[in-house]
Formats: sequence, structure tokens, C-alpha cells
Amino acid sequence: GDSVTQMEGPVTLSEEAFLTINCTYTATGYPSLFWYVQYPGEGLQLLLKATKADDKGSNKGFEATYRKETTSFHLEKGSVQVSDSAVYFCALSPYSNYQLIWGAGTKLIIKP
Amino acid sequence: EPEVTQTPSHQVTQMGQEVILRCVPISNHLYFYWYRQILGQKVEFLVSFYNNEISEKSEIFDDQFSVERPDGSNFTLKIRSTKLEDSAMYFCASRAQGNTGELFFGEGSRLTVL
Repeated sequence: GDSVTQMEGPVTLSEEAFLTINCTYTATGYPSLFWYVQYPGEGLQLLLKATKADDKGSNKGFEATYRKETTSFHLEKGSVQVSDSAVYFCALSPYSNYQLIWGAGTKLIIKP
Repeated sequence: EPEVTQTPSHQVTQMGQEVILRCVPISNHLYFYWYRQILGQKVEFLVSFYNNEISEKSEIFDDQFSVERPDGSNFTLKIRSTKLEDSAMYFCASRAQGNTGELFFGEGSRLTVL
């Protein structure tokens, strides 16, 4: 079945460092891909999305490109801030329905 | 900005008790979902709801669970007889018709079963 695999955390970086959180997926058809973020004590918020191959989603300095050839949707940010500390979830929505299938989440810790 | 709201934010209950978690989806949305996240584990799909009926449900959503949209605004998840393993964060989500799968989530209801 469809699945999402993302790198285990926690990922600890210093402020202004470059961030990559890897996400790969397995899916039949043409899923939409998402990154959700969960700040401490809060719910799940959509960070960015891409709905077809080669699309780039971007928001708040974060980017991810839908790579069908490598079945990946890695999250990147050029210069992280302490306020980016959160848990990041990669997810896919299969073409045939709108259930979300989730990765395990990656906790990001940014130190000043 | 429209948002999904959930109540209560945290509920503690005794094993075997009934629990109702409430959600108010975004007003023009037509599709509603419940997900749960057991501490330290993945977010898991429970059920989707459209046109006043369940459209899909997972293996987790057994006979102890039910959903209802009693009044056109609320969307509730009922657990009839809670078990210890029902302790989790429960997220409600809603979606407008015709979009590409973007779900809008509430802040979650933490259920603790003792």
C-alpha cells in the first residue's frame, strides 16, 4: 500500500543553518504531497504542498519539490530560525481519495 | 481566517466511560475527517464523512467508534467504552469540495484514559 518514509529525528541545528528533512514515498497513481508542521502545543498546520511532478511548494522560506523519478519530497530551508522548532510531517494524498497517509514526523530543534 | 475548532482540548476519563469529542469544521467545507496520534507514533486516519454518512473508515474505527453531524455545524466523534489504548490526540479536519486534498486541521483534543 501507499506509504511515506521520512528521516528520523530529532534534527538539531544552529540558527541560520541549512535544513533538509528527507521524505520519500511509495504510491500508485499520482498522489499529492504535503508537509505539515506541528508547533509545540498546537495542531497540524499545512506548510506547503505540491500536486504534480516537478511542482515546487513553498511557504515561510521552506521549499519542497515533487520528484517523481526519485519518489521524494524533501523539505529545505536556507536559514532556519529558533521559531522553526517543531515537528514536521510529510504526507501524501492518494489520487483516488483524500485520506492523508503520514510519515512518522521529524522533530526539529533549532538552537540560538 | 476560518479555522477548525475542537473541544475539549484535553479530557481525562476512566476506562469504560463514553467520550464525545466535538469539532466545528470550516463552514463551507463538505468533507470531514478524524485522525488520531498516539503519543510518539504516526498520525493515523480514522474516518471520513461526507453527505451525512461515513465515506471511508480504517481498521481502527471499530464498533466502539461513531461519528455524527447532529446539527449542520458540529461534527462529533464518540467512543462508547474507552480503553487505555484510546489515549491519544484526536484531530478533526475538514476539506472543501474540489480541491487537491488539502485538509484544514483543528488543534486537537487530547484524550487520556485512566
